[in-house]
Amino acid sequence: EVQLVESGGGLVQPGGSLRLSCAASEFTFSTYSMTWVRQAPGKGLEWVANIKQDGSQKYYVDSVRGRFTISRDNAENSLYLQMNSLRAEDTAVYFCAKGKSFFDNWGQGTLVTVSS
Amino acid sequence: EIILTQSPDTLSVSPGERATLSCRASQSVSSNLAWYQQKPGQAPRLLIYGASTRATGIPPRFSGSGSGTEFTLTVSSLQSEDFAVYYCQQYDDWPGTFGQGTKVEIK
Repeated sequence: EVQLVESGGGLVQPGGSLRLSCAASEFTFSTYSMTWVRQAPGKGLEWVANIKQDGSQKYYVDSVRGRFTISRDNAENSLYLQMNSLRAEDTAVYFCAKGKSFFDNWGQGTLVTVSS
Repeated sequence: EIILTQSPDTLSVSPGERATLSCRASQSVSSNLAWYQQKPGQAPRLLIYGASTRATGIPPRFSGSGSGTEFTLTVSSLQSEDFAVYYCQQYDDWPGTFGQGTKVEIK
């Protein structure tokens, strides 16, 4: 069974940085595009960033472009999201999801809270 | 950015009844539309992709239809475990976008 386990969330001050990780198992990680999706408390879902299988192409939603960086380590079966210059509106549960278009596997999410 | 509008925001249904949820796109997304179910504190679960193809393990009481800008998710006979929030998502254009969700609650 596919497993995706996020970590690295927590409380950070506005302007601060955080790095999220997603450990993947039980599938051939290097052959799948991967995506980060977030959900603000009590709100809907928002596509954040996507990375191609070999890491050669990366896509970001406008609201995070220039502040967030998606990366992956296929040798470690891991996905990352480096988040800089965090804002209150970045407060959300961040999910990693397998795929680029629709998502048949999701992690349980990690909560990021941006507050002073 | 393609806007997806779901209706209604909340649907009150009795167990065993049919539920019909709608999703309208601001421009055509062809059949590049998925539906998800989300329960409190859980990640979304893929139900339907390609507008009408059930994902692995999804029971046949869930069905999807539509193309272009109008889509429907139907749950033929609601079970207790089906009360949740449902989201549509388009993947025809970047960035993929989600609807605001429809909450299906017990009547």
